[in-house]
Amino acid sequence: GAVVSQHPSWVICKSGTSVKIECRSLDFQATTMFWYRQFPKQSLMLMATSNEGSKATYEQGVEKDKFLINHASLTLSTLTVTSAHPEDSSFYICSASMASGSLDTQYFGPGTRLTVL
Amino acid sequence: GDSVTQMEGPVTLSEEAFLTINCTYTATGYPSLFWYVQYPGEGLQLLLKATKADDKGSNKGFEATYRKETTSFHLEKGSVQVSDSAVYFCALSHNTNAGKSTFGDGTTLTVKP
Repeated sequence: GAVVSQHPSWVICKSGTSVKIECRSLDFQATTMFWYRQFPKQSLMLMATSNEGSKATYEQGVEKDKFLINHASLTLSTLTVTSAHPEDSSFYICSASMASGSLDTQYFGPGTRLTVL
Repeated sequence: GDSVTQMEGPVTLSEEAFLTINCTYTATGYPSLFWYVQYPGEGLQLLLKATKADDKGSNKGFEATYRKETTSFHLEKGSVQVSDSAVYFCALSHNTNAGKSTFGDGTTLTVKP
């Protein structure tokens, strides 16, 4: 149980276009989802915390107008990278915590590799 | 604020060697502690966790004990395999914050046959 999926697993886009990444909890309801960015050989950088039905909370230094997060249901959150540029190329990982049960545990998706040309 | 400090890598071991990856933390209250593993090109997988002092988390031969007196949660395995090669992250979170976690920088482990 506690499976989180991400789609797509990788995407290549041209500079200036927008890319949407989906994060789904497949077998549980997730009150909270987190979006991370990971650079090669580095740790995870938390971008934002997303709660179902409310606006996301962004970490300091993360542009909310560039990284649009929507958490429309208890099983789906989306991250849209708007007007992507090469410096946005990265590995994006989402995670989810359960609506019930152990609130301190996150379950991670497999990640999405974004390459902006 | 909270912080997690991990042993710097990379760590290279021969198969069947003993593994220790050190992790210490600074936090208010009583956080839960975690070890995650990340294989190349993948997301993080929960390896083990401990929620209170003196708890021992274990999974797949890996163990870590929550030591409040030394604020540590060192990861150990008695005999590593090539398939254990990955990046290991130590993390903490508070039950009151919906799982928002603080991660260490990660330690890369390479096991050679």
